[in-house]
Order: sequence, then C-alpha cells, then structure tokens
Amino acid sequence: GAGVSQSPSNKVTEKGKDVELRCDPISGHTALYWYRQSLGQGLEFLIYFQGNSAPDKSGLPSDRFSAERTGGSVSTLTIQRTQQEDSAVYLCASRKGGGDHNEQFFGPGTRLTVL
Amino acid sequence: DQQVKQNSPSLSVQEGRISILNCDYTNSMFDYFLWYKKYPAEGPTFLISISSIKDKNEDGRFTVFLNKSAKHLSLHIVPSQPGDSAVYFCAASAWDTGRRALTFGSGTRLQVQP
Repeated sequence: GAGVSQSPSNKVTEKGKDVELRCDPISGHTALYWYRQSLGQGLEFLIYFQGNSAPDKSGLPSDRFSAERTGGSVSTLTIQRTQQEDSAVYLCASRKGGGDHNEQFFGPGTRLTVL
Repeated sequence: DQQVKQNSPSLSVQEGRISILNCDYTNSMFDYFLWYKKYPAEGPTFLISISSIKDKNEDGRFTVFLNKSAKHLSLHIVPSQPGDSAVYFCAASAWDTGRRALTFGSGTRLQVQP
C-alpha cells in the first residue's frame, strides 16, 4: 500500500491479557517508530527501529512492553499483562532514513482499551 | 518535563482570516521542527517543516516561522478554511545519532468558523 497501515484499528482487552499490535510501514522506509497518545496528551515516543535493530528502546514505559521488526519491514508491539493505564492510541510511523530531515509518516493508529 | 509546549489547547477563527498556532521548546539540541495535522480517528498528517538554519518556510497557505533565540515557532494559515479544522501538533527532533524521534507538543485544536 501507499501509506503506513496498522492493525487492528481497535482492540478491547481485559486487564492481565497480552496484546499484539502490528505496523506495516511504507515500502523502502528503513526507520520505524512507535508512539502512543493517551487521552488528552501529546504523542509519546516508545521505540525506534533502524532496519531490524532497535537502537533506542528508551521510551518503553515498562518491561511489559516489547517490539520487534522482521525483514526490515513489519513491526509488532507486544504488551504483556495489560493494565488499564495502557489504554491509549498506539501510532506507528516510518521514515526513509539515511537522510537527515525526512519527515515521518504515520499510520491511523490502534486504539487499545483495557477493561 | 515538557520539552515542546503548545500553551493554547484551542483556537477559533473565522473563515478567510489568519490562524496563528504557537509552539515553544526548551531543548537547544532540537534542530528540526515539524507541524502535523490530525483529524479524529486518523494518524497525524505531515504539514510543513523547518530546519534550524532557516527562520521561515512557506508552502501554499501554510508558513512556519522559527525564532531560535526565543525558542519559539509558529504556524500561520492564511486564509483559513473550514477544512483546516483539526488538532495541530508541533514536533521537534535532534540529530541524536540519527534517531530523529519526534518530541510532540500536546496539540492545539483549531476550529475555523464558516
């Protein structure tokens, strides 16, 4: 596809369950980012991939959060033992990389609700 | 500690008039600034950007101004149209070993009245 896609668009889960969110970046974009937006907040950086490696995991809020990227393309963000404070919109973005100032293109997000 | 601040949560203007959205930052390492527009249930859409070596960048109805000494940038929309009604996010990045992760402000909701 032409843009960044994410699935599912909405996810409702019970507290304590694990969830997996998927991001399919723009073809050829080497840099991939995960952000989240909690209610009434700005976007918060979670993790950055360059190719398949994650040189920066500094934004992950706890060790319940992990992410991987395979084949330099699709990425999954996994949240284990979900808590109510994990409820947010999780956004993925990709960037060409290599250059210095390429803008990031965002997907539509996954709205996660933890009951 | 908010490194990028948008102090106005909302702004209302009349169609045809100028909209001015403001943003302040504290991190002097930021060298690239962007504005994104967001409609409900959609991801942010890139609007316009500016490098710290410039003080102005223009693209159609959108102009971004950067005042490095004041650590302040603004987005001007002229003339404003009802379709511009959305939440606008200011974002900044630093070279930081090439990571280029964005630090976002909390957004300003713009409403353009017909």
